[in-house]
Amino acid sequence: TQLLEQSPQFLSIQEGENLTVYCNSSSVFSSLQWYRQEPGEGPVLLVTVVTGGEVKKLKRLTFQFGDARKDSSLHITAAQPGDTGLYLCAGAYGNKLVFGAGTILRVKS
Amino acid sequence: SQTIHQWPATLVQPVGSPLSLECTVEGTSNPNLYWYRQAAGRGLQLLFYSVGIGQISSEVPQNLSASRPQDRQFILSSKKLLLSDSGFYLCAWVEKNHNTEAFFGQGTRLTVV
Repeated sequence: TQLLEQSPQFLSIQEGENLTVYCNSSSVFSSLQWYRQEPGEGPVLLVTVVTGGEVKKLKRLTFQFGDARKDSSLHITAAQPGDTGLYLCAGAYGNKLVFGAGTILRVKS
Repeated sequence: SQTIHQWPATLVQPVGSPLSLECTVEGTSNPNLYWYRQAAGRGLQLLFYSVGIGQISSEVPQNLSASRPQDRQFILSSKKLLLSDSGFYLCAWVEKNHNTEAFFGQGTRLTVV
């Protein structure tokens, strides 16, 4: 059973379009994180959201943590080819750090 | 500054052969350590984690084992590899009580033939 459900699994869009990736769980997390991974490398942290309802912005990326701290979303505005990659959400469950199945984003120029 | 070393980067092993992947962390003490396996383009499957020397928690029953002989060393092993053990293996560390930001090694691409 996947603790963190991510959707969509795959997204292919044109440069300049907007997109949203979702991360949902039936469990409450003290914090959720978003990572981006390039092929052949380890994931790199983009952001950590801690407070229910929190919204964080990182240039064209907007991250939101649900009020009940069970879900999160990543919104990208005016996507660029450089945004292409695998996006992963993650959360701590006790000492475990669990990941969603990931969203493969492809931005075409 | 903290760094994490994982080796080898790539490995091709025959079915039935043993495996030893090593991960070491520098610049921190008493971290939580993790081994993950990743299928192509997919999420990370947690295999083992450790909160201290000699303390190993196994998440998925399988052909692998892990050990933590020193505070900053985490080893993934197998006595006899299976074809299904092929994948991309990632080691990560997390500083305790610190919002669980994970730092990853560069990964090991294991192909069992």
